[in-house]
Amino acid sequence: AQSVAQPEDQVNVAEGNPLTVKCTYSVSGNPYLFWYVQYPNRGLQFLLKYITGDNLVKGSYGFEAEFNKSQTSFHLKKPSALVSDSALYFCAVRDTNTGGFKTIFGAGTRLFVKA
Amino acid sequence: SQTIHQWPATLVQPVGSPLSLECTVEGTSNPNLYWYRQAAGRGLQLLFYSVGIGQISSEVPQNLSASRPQDRQFILSSKKLLLSDSGFYLCAWSVTASSYEQYFGPGTRLTVT
Repeated sequence: AQSVAQPEDQVNVAEGNPLTVKCTYSVSGNPYLFWYVQYPNRGLQFLLKYITGDNLVKGSYGFEAEFNKSQTSFHLKKPSALVSDSALYFCAVRDTNTGGFKTIFGAGTRLFVKA
Repeated sequence: SQTIHQWPATLVQPVGSPLSLECTVEGTSNPNLYWYRQAAGRGLQLLFYSVGIGQISSEVPQNLSASRPQDRQFILSSKKLLLSDSGFYLCAWSVTASSYEQYFGPGTRLTVT
């Protein structure tokens, strides 16, 4: 079965420090991987995606993610966290079993950045 | 540029009342459309998706239904709401035949009392 796991419910980091939000996946075929961010009482915003090519993907707001095929991981990173990065982050993978129309979302990781 | 609208933003409805939530997309043609429900500010549950006018796929058996009367309009309905229908409802769209990232609307907060 295809799935996405975000092993941490919450990540706490001090402002200015690097942050990592973890994601692992299980898919058949080549993975299409995504990160989304959700601020309180708002819809999700697309941050970045990995389709093919360079394993390090750069996205919005200074975020990047590293695709690691051997570890089936797609961790979200940022070199220097901001208080405004505090939000709920979702990792997601395209569901190749349904012709790609659907996306499987992880349970979400809440990021708290302390000033 | 593309935009997605949802309304209403918030809704309080009594148990047993009907529901109609509307979503429209501007600036694109023939999008894939999705309805999700998010409970308790965490995981997303896919309710319905549509790849074209009149084409609706249901993911979860329940008292909700969806319709797509026009290319860029997606409606979520219920004839009789249950308490368990409370939640945050999100509409999203994606471009057909692309890398499939989704773009979400602002959401509707539904409270069933």
